[in-house]
Amino acid sequence: IAGITQAPTSQILAAGRRMTLRCTQDMRHNAMYWYRQDLGLGLRLIHYSNTAGTTGKGEVPDGYSVSRANTDDFPLTLASAVPSQTSVYFCASGAGTSAGELFFGEGSRLTVL
Amino acid sequence: GQNIDQPTEMTATEGAIVQINCTYQTSGFNGLFWYQQHAGEAPTFLSYNVLDGLEEKGRFSSFLSRSKGYSYLLLKELQMKDSASYLCAVRDSNYQLIWGAGTKLIIKP
Repeated sequence: IAGITQAPTSQILAAGRRMTLRCTQDMRHNAMYWYRQDLGLGLRLIHYSNTAGTTGKGEVPDGYSVSRANTDDFPLTLASAVPSQTSVYFCASGAGTSAGELFFGEGSRLTVL
Repeated sequence: GQNIDQPTEMTATEGAIVQINCTYQTSGFNGLFWYQQHAGEAPTFLSYNVLDGLEEKGRFSSFLSRSKGYSYLLLKELQMKDSASYLCAVRDSNYQLIWGAGTKLIIKP
């Protein structure tokens, strides 16, 4: 059982380039989330999706977009990367907004130069 | 604003007991979570409290006082593999998780 898979694991990117981080889950969870984790800060929510076909903005959505065409996939796109988007990005899923725990992918470490 | 406070770093000795505190101020409350995160890895779920009191799960226990906006994670019989960051998170009235910055726990032999 794979659970939740992210790709790429690590990427170095030139500023101004477009980048898509992929996230796939096989648990049939309705809710999916994208977080960024920076040193000294808690996980910050970028975008979320409560169910396929719907998305919402989190705490730090600027410069990012998402789509949720189906239950399994929830890609995160940086349209034009900037150095402040250097971070570790985690995708997570859960059975529902009021359900229990979240399951996290292994993370994507992104460096924008 | 919403805020989760927990100590930045703690040190404890193998075999001992350690208590990691978390205080919160959030817009509503729909449960408190503790996650463990080893360096370079993803967070993994440890415990969930929605009612006041103590929840015990093996060597780990979590306590909640909603009136005080306070929780703690208690780790007993510490092992070297418990060296990790411990993240406190509160689900607010909109069912979004608000995360603390995490407590890095260092276990010494």
